[in-house]
Amino acid sequence: AQKITQTQPGMFVQEKEAVTLDCTYDTSDPSYGLFWYKQPSSGEMIFLIYQGSYDQQNATEGRYSLNFQKARKSANLVISASQLGDSAMYFCAMREVNYGQNFVFGPGTRLSVLP
Amino acid sequence: AAGVIQSPRHLIKEKRETATLKCYPIPRHDTVYWYQQGPGQDPQFLISFYEKMQSDKGSIPDRFSAQQFSDYHSELNMSSLELGDSALYFCASSLGLADSYNEQFFGPGTRLTVL
Repeated sequence: AQKITQTQPGMFVQEKEAVTLDCTYDTSDPSYGLFWYKQPSSGEMIFLIYQGSYDQQNATEGRYSLNFQKARKSANLVISASQLGDSAMYFCAMREVNYGQNFVFGPGTRLSVLP
Repeated sequence: AAGVIQSPRHLIKEKRETATLKCYPIPRHDTVYWYQQGPGQDPQFLISFYEKMQSDKGSIPDRFSAQQFSDYHSELNMSSLELGDSALYFCASSLGLADSYNEQFFGPGTRLTVL
C-alpha cells in the first residue's frame, strides 16, 4: 500500500498568492516525522519543513507552513506569497522511527507559479 | 557549511558496463542512505549504512552493492548495467538513527545515463 499520497500531480498558482499542496500518509508507527522537499529542475533535493508526530504545534519556516492533522493523517504544505522561484516538484516524505530509518516519498506535485 | 558531496555528478555508461558512485557525507555524520530516482518518479530507497554496517535495505537490485568505509564515505557499485538503471542517484547523510527528526541532508545527485 502507498504510504504517502499526493493527489495533485500538478498545480498552478498566481504569483504572490498562497497555495496548498496535499499530502496524506499511512503508518502504524506512533513515532514518525514528516518532511517536505523541493526539487527544482536542476535536480537537487532541498529540505523545506519538518513535522514530528508528537509535535503539538504546526511547523512553520518562513513562507512555508505545515497544516498537520494527525487524526486525518494529513500534512499539507502551505506556501504563502508564491514566488516564481517556487516553481518546482514538491515531495512529501515520511520517516518511521521503528520501521526502518529511510525516507518514503510521495509521487510529488509539480507546482508552477504564474507571473 | 559543508554539504554532502557526490561524485561524479554525471556518468554515461553502456549496457553491461559497471559504474561506481561515491558519496562523502557531511563531517561527523555516521549514517548514509542511497536513493534512486527514475525519470518522473519519486526517489526510492536502496540501502543505508550506519557506522559502516548495513542498517536497512530497500529495493536494491542484486547487481548493485554498496559499502561504507572507515572515513564514512560510501560507494554504490553497479554491475551489468541495464537501460532501466538510468536515473538520478541521491546520497543522503544524517547523524545517527535514533530520532524521527534526524534530517537527512541530500547530496546533489549523480545522474547516470545507460546507453
